[in-house]
Amino acid sequence: DTGVSQDPRHKITKRGQNVTFRCDPISEHNRLYWYRQTLGQGPEFLTYFQNEAQLEKSRLLSDRFSAERPKGSFSTLEIQRTEQGDSAMYLCAKTSGETDTQYFGPGTRLTVL
Amino acid sequence: KNQVEQSPQSLIILEGKNCTLQCNYTVSPFSNLRWYKQDTGRGPVSLTIMTFSENTKSNGRYTATLDADTKQSSLHITASQLSDSASYICVVSDYSGTYKYIFGTGTRLKVLA
Repeated sequence: DTGVSQDPRHKITKRGQNVTFRCDPISEHNRLYWYRQTLGQGPEFLTYFQNEAQLEKSRLLSDRFSAERPKGSFSTLEIQRTEQGDSAMYLCAKTSGETDTQYFGPGTRLTVL
Repeated sequence: KNQVEQSPQSLIILEGKNCTLQCNYTVSPFSNLRWYKQDTGRGPVSLTIMTFSENTKSNGRYTATLDADTKQSSLHITASQLSDSASYICVVSDYSGTYKYIFGTGTRLKVLA
């Protein structure tokens, strides 16, 4: 158990629909990251938060994507007007400890039909 | 450009055999290097972390080495087990004022009985 839960674990949606994913680090941590991972690739950085502040966004994060961390604890990632190219695993990670280790959630598998 | 390259892309070995996975990076300034294991459909789980001054780090049957001069790391798996079948991802931290992690594309390992 990495102490990070994600919901839902799987999401199937039709092209053009909006979807929202949630990430809950069990205990509060300063930094929370979102990644996207496609088959056979490593995770690609999307964005990260330090407390409730979104400090960096990848150019992969188009204007259809928005992430929030309203109280510095849980975070949501919303994708509007989904496209088939959005189909991927979306991973959330928190950092912890002096070693700055990232602990990943189980991911949300998105399939856009 | 900061990059992490891993080889081989995939590997098949028999149960009980040893194997070594490679990671080359061009990340500067270097902070630390991690190896993660990712089972299919799950989030990555940290195996080892090494800073600039560390040459080797073990975690059970997993031993990671780091040569900061040549910017190379390896992950050696001893006496492989079926449960070692997974993707192994090398991640290098680029601390240049922001906490950034550069991921390799991973090596997919298959252990056969």
